[in-house]
Amino acid sequence: GAVVSQHPSRVICKSGTSVKIECRSLDFQATTMFWYRQFPKQSLMLMATSNEGSKATYEQGVEKDKFLINHASLTLSTLTVTSAHPEDSSFYICSARDPRGLRTDTQYFGPGTRLTVL
Amino acid sequence: GIQVEQSPPDLILQEGANSTLRCNFSDSVNNLQWFHQNPWGQLINLFYIPSGTKQNGRLSATTVATERYSLLYISSSQTTDSGVYFCAVAPRSNDYKLSFGAGTTVTVRA
Repeated sequence: GAVVSQHPSRVICKSGTSVKIECRSLDFQATTMFWYRQFPKQSLMLMATSNEGSKATYEQGVEKDKFLINHASLTLSTLTVTSAHPEDSSFYICSARDPRGLRTDTQYFGPGTRLTVL
Repeated sequence: GIQVEQSPPDLILQEGANSTLRCNFSDSVNNLQWFHQNPWGQLINLFYIPSGTKQNGRLSATTVATERYSLLYISSSQTTDSGVYFCAVAPRSNDYKLSFGAGTTVTVRA
């Protein structure tokens, strides 16, 4: 149980294009999803908290117009990197919380999406 | 925000050895989790342990909340244990907002 998927797993794009990453909870409904960013050999940094049916809450220093988050259903959140540039290249990881699970405080993580902007 | 420090940063083990990883945190927490990130980047939940002791096979963890630290024990290490181990905590004010430590990179040699 508590499986989270991400799509795509890897994407290469040209500078200036927009890229959409999907995060799905496969066997539970997630009222809250989280988006993290991880640079090589570094830790995870929380970018934003996504709540179903409402606007995302962004962490300090994260541009909300650059990283658009939509949480339209209880099983899907999307992150769109708009007008991507090489400095946006990173490993993006989502997680989801199961509010009705045995452990409501536990976050379950997706496999990550590696974005490379040329 | 809450600070999380992990030690050691790197650990090289011979297969079969035991090890202890440490996580110190700067404030009271309601949520503490240990994760293993495999070489492909997938984070695997190991323990949800804001206090007390838990065991799962060759792994066990202890959190002493009053002294603000947690320990992860790996016994009889195997090459598949290699990867980065992260400790993540969330404060009482927001149980879900995890702050991650820098991680401990474990390499187990055959």
